[in-house]
Amino acid sequence: DTGVSQNPRHKITKRGQNVTFRCDPISEHNRLYWYRQTLGQGPEFLTYFQNEAQLEKSRLLSDRFSAERPKGSFSTLEIQRTEQGDSAMYLCASSLGGAEDTQYFGPGTRLTVL
Amino acid sequence: QQQVKQSPQSLIVQKGGISIINCAYENTAFDYFPWYQQFPGKGPALLIAIRPDVSEKKEGRFTISFNKSAKQFSLHIMDSQPGDSATYFCAAGGNYQLIWGAGTKLIIKP
Repeated sequence: DTGVSQNPRHKITKRGQNVTFRCDPISEHNRLYWYRQTLGQGPEFLTYFQNEAQLEKSRLLSDRFSAERPKGSFSTLEIQRTEQGDSAMYLCASSLGGAEDTQYFGPGTRLTVL
Repeated sequence: QQQVKQSPQSLIVQKGGISIINCAYENTAFDYFPWYQQFPGKGPALLIAIRPDVSEKKEGRFTISFNKSAKQFSLHIMDSQPGDSATYFCAAGGNYQLIWGAGTKLIIKP
């Protein structure tokens, strides 16, 4: 399977704990995106990488959130001191760049904060 | 200026009918308008996308109509099938950032 993969698929944690999610993009894609999706809503942009450089961060990304893409390949999204409001589906997408910059999405990680 | 408004919120169509979903955007700088399909438990998957230099794009049973002056675009699904039952999202953006509509839950009745 050469699509975008995300791990874990589901994560249940207690309020105040830290969690980390991983995204493996399509191999030749140099752009990587993180989104958050809550029930009944469209995805909300969180952040974007061009290779290893984090070029844009949404104001939704509070200081408890941090994302990395250390070697321009896989990426991690960490949430520190989780809150119940962090419960959502976290989606990763990747794209090749260029004129038709289609974003291909992974299956997401569903986070539940108790 | 960053909103994308999508309607209807839900839609029920008989098998073989035409499903129509509408979106409106505000930012005239947007130059890329994709439609995504999402099944429960899955990430969104691109259906069809359009740039503002054309008014219509057709791929199989799916057509995007684009009205630049009205800042509106719509998805038409011809000969709708039960397998089309899913949530559909429009989005608008440019370069890298997409602003998404709230989604339309489409149910195709056999």
